[in-house]
Amino acid sequence: NAGVTQTPKFQVLKTGQSMTLQCAQDMNHNSMYWYRQDPGMGLRLIYYSASEGTTDKGEVPNGYNVSRLNKREFSLRLESAAPSQTSVYFCASSEVLADEQYFGPGTRLTVT
Amino acid sequence: AQKITQTQPGMFVQEKEAVTLDCTYDTSDQSYGLFWYKQPSSGEMIFLIYQGSYDEQNATEGRYSLNFQKARKSANLVISASQLGDSAMYFCAMRERDTGNQFYFGTGTSLTVIP
Repeated sequence: NAGVTQTPKFQVLKTGQSMTLQCAQDMNHNSMYWYRQDPGMGLRLIYYSASEGTTDKGEVPNGYNVSRLNKREFSLRLESAAPSQTSVYFCASSEVLADEQYFGPGTRLTVT
Repeated sequence: AQKITQTQPGMFVQEKEAVTLDCTYDTSDQSYGLFWYKQPSSGEMIFLIYQGSYDEQNATEGRYSLNFQKARKSANLVISASQLGDSAMYFCAMRERDTGNQFYFGTGTSLTVIP
């Protein structure tokens, strides 16, 4: 099993460009999450999906949209990238919201 | 106010010794969960241990134990018999269950194990 996979691993965008970060899990988990990690700030929750068909805002949702495409896949979209969105993005999944989360390897995004 | 506070940016411990990493939290929820994750220099996040707010016993997982003091709102991680491979960033996290299922991480503690 691959666990949680994320694509791409690295990305450089210009201000104003859009892109979608992809995440997939093969553990049949119900819940999925998107975080960003900035130096000195730990991880901050952007959006989460408690189950297929539902999405909810986390602590820092502004500038992002998500889609829970099916049980396996949860994508994060930046419609108009800004330098403040330069960060490492982690996707995670858990069997249900209460459980420990399993993380993907991360996507390092730079917006110039 | 910070939901999770980790006051030790960096810690050092001698190999084979025990070390305690501090974590305090802030919530008005009655039902919540506390987690510790490890992030090695390679960048992946690894789950270590979980404590539920209603659990009366402190959680243990191998060399990891969670010292849960509910009245003090603290959830310190104790690593016994430190190994060189324990050198990493350690993050405390909390999930609030009563008020919207939000999930919060602390800023982390960098642990270095000295041979």
